[in-house]
Amino acid sequence: QSALTQPPSASGSPGQSVTISCTGTSSDVGGYNYVSWFQKEPGKAPKLLIYEVNKRPSGVPDRFAGSKSGNTAYLTVSGLQAEDEADYYCSSYAGDSRGVFGGGTKLTVL
Amino acid sequence: QVQLVQSGAEVKKPGASVRVSCKASGYTFTTYYIHWVRQAPGQGLEWMGIINPTGGSTTYGQKFQGRVTMTRDTSTNTFYMELSSLRSEDTAEYYCARSYYDILNCDYWGQGTLVTVSS
Repeated sequence: QSALTQPPSASGSPGQSVTISCTGTSSDVGGYNYVSWFQKEPGKAPKLLIYEVNKRPSGVPDRFAGSKSGNTAYLTVSGLQAEDEADYYCSSYAGDSRGVFGGGTKLTVL
Repeated sequence: QVQLVQSGAEVKKPGASVRVSCKASGYTFTTYYIHWVRQAPGQGLEWMGIINPTGGSTTYGQKFQGRVTMTRDTSTNTFYMELSSLRSEDTAEYYCARSYYDILNCDYWGQGTLVTVSS
């Protein structure tokens, strides 16, 4: 199972929006509506931001939004804030109880 | 409150095995699957496998097949991940995390366990 493809980096100024892509195949991202997004800060456990493509857990700001088109999923962060600077990972169900992560995207707030 | 509390850091020699524990509390043990995920220094998250707390069935990532064993102890609400034939590339932070279905959408994570493999 190959990792999903994410851009290694993304950036934006405070208040702007940034979108991170996550490309898989019809066997994972494209085949199921089970894409999640996690925020990972150094020294901390990953935090769930988005699940089932576009659902937000309680407590996650609505500045974070997920979507999907074909084999590619997207995380959009609106109204960028300094605290959003972190690594972001997508994940997908890959059938038969298997999961797969993307390679991660480092988001820099300029 | 929901907690997944992992065992402490380990230092192992190449070729040895390591067992990491993950004690669950604050929810019904049999309701949530447990995934094991690792992150090597400077690398991304890597899915290792999943265990169904009801019955103990497992699915492992292809990369770890034959080297990893995931188990659970229902009497102590504790999950275990054992990785054998350790090599330096297995140096990583290891996490347990729960999900309601067998889908990688984990809402609670353990604090992580650093495993260092060094001669």
